[in-house]
Amino acid sequence: DAGITQSPRHKVTETGTPVTLRCHQTENHRYMYWYRQDPGHGLRLIHYSYGVKDTDKGEVSDGYSVSRSKTEDFLLTLESATSSQTSVYFCAISDMEASNEQFFGPGTRLTVL
Amino acid sequence: RKEVEQDPGPFNVPEGATVAFNCTYSNSASQSFFWYRQDCRKEPKLLMSVYSSGNEDGRFTAQLNRASQYISLLIRDSKLSDSATYLCVVKRAAGNKLTFGGGTRVLVKP
Repeated sequence: DAGITQSPRHKVTETGTPVTLRCHQTENHRYMYWYRQDPGHGLRLIHYSYGVKDTDKGEVSDGYSVSRSKTEDFLLTLESATSSQTSVYFCAISDMEASNEQFFGPGTRLTVL
Repeated sequence: RKEVEQDPGPFNVPEGATVAFNCTYSNSASQSFFWYRQDCRKEPKLLMSVYSSGNEDGRFTAQLNRASQYISLLIRDSKLSDSATYLCVVKRAAGNKLTFGGGTRVLVKP
């Protein structure tokens, strides 16, 4: 299995609070992604990174920001959590030059009350 | 219209039977196609890539029809362990992002 971890694995928070999710990889892959998965919508891309300090928006980026200061870490921040951001968040990594495959982390289940 | 569409199922399949399902995509610029498998409350994992000529991996066969813009997955001799959600995934020619379908749930029963 690809070396990719996410923390925390579960979090319950209140509306209006900031939340940061962490994705850590040990594969030295260039690309990292944040998705959310909701019933009826499948996996939707929030933000992605193609290198240290290089990030771009996905299809559902509103309300989220990301940072990548090191190859191995990709942080997703909800500046002010809302109930609509209750979801399962998956991080993924890939080495796109070598393969189209994305390897996913175990997911973070976030509940915003 | 969603870029990648799948029948959500569930497809209830007797053990040992064959099941097949499709996925349609709307963007004709799509270049690469994949099936991912996702077990309940787990992360998605690549099952197989889909090639223009069709390809087989054990009991799994994937087909691509570019003219009609759909891909298919067939599972032969279904096992209980095949119970999962199968995600159709498409990559455009430009860029390095994948677009996921909502998934087709398959339940294999004894």
